[in-house]
Amino acid sequence: EAGVAQSPRYKIIEKRQSVAFWCNPISGHATLYWYQQILGQGPKLLIQFQNNGVVDDSQLPKDRFSAERLKGVDSTLKIQPAKLEDSAVYLCASSRTDTSTDTQYFGPGTRLTVL
Amino acid sequence: AQSVTQPDIHITVSEGASLELRCNYSYGATPYLFWYVQSPGQGLQLLLKYFSGDTLVQGIKGFEAEFKRSQSSFNLRKPSVHWSDAAEYFCAVGARSNTGKLIFGQGTTLQVKP
Repeated sequence: EAGVAQSPRYKIIEKRQSVAFWCNPISGHATLYWYQQILGQGPKLLIQFQNNGVVDDSQLPKDRFSAERLKGVDSTLKIQPAKLEDSAVYLCASSRTDTSTDTQYFGPGTRLTVL
Repeated sequence: AQSVTQPDIHITVSEGASLELRCNYSYGATPYLFWYVQSPGQGLQLLLKYFSGDTLVQGIKGFEAEFKRSQSSFNLRKPSVHWSDAAEYFCAVGARSNTGKLIFGQGTTLQVKP
């Protein structure tokens, strides 16, 4: 079974530029999560999708971050414009359902550096 | 509010020695508890999880964890560490409501000395 795929693996941009990350979850997984992991910290949930609907985006900085999962499969997370403090690893995870007992499977992440 | 504290930022143990990584949580009821491991350049991998029942849970790679309600703790243990166990370890708590949301601790980096 293929795991969660993410691209690109690394991205370096200047502040105020825009950037987009892509995630393809495990086939059949209805729930998709985007986490932000700042160096030295644990992952923090940015947004959670159930199929193509948003379940939780309470910690997403909506003035600059946006995410979509139009067909209920893969997802894109965008930052526009980027700030220095957005430098982090962006992790995508998926699970079969949105119940807390379902294991979340994580992708390798995209490491973003904002200069 | 839910929170997770991992008191040790960095731990060094010798290969073959025993290991215990500490995790304390704050939650209004009994939460779901998880331990994940992250190797360099890799995503997080689930080691084990606790939902209910037996408070000692077994996981992959020879790890186990014990839920202690009175201490609000869920410490991870391994009797004999291997060099390949060097990684970052995260404790996480999930709500019993069906949201799937996890709150992670800040992580403990494990270094293994030969």
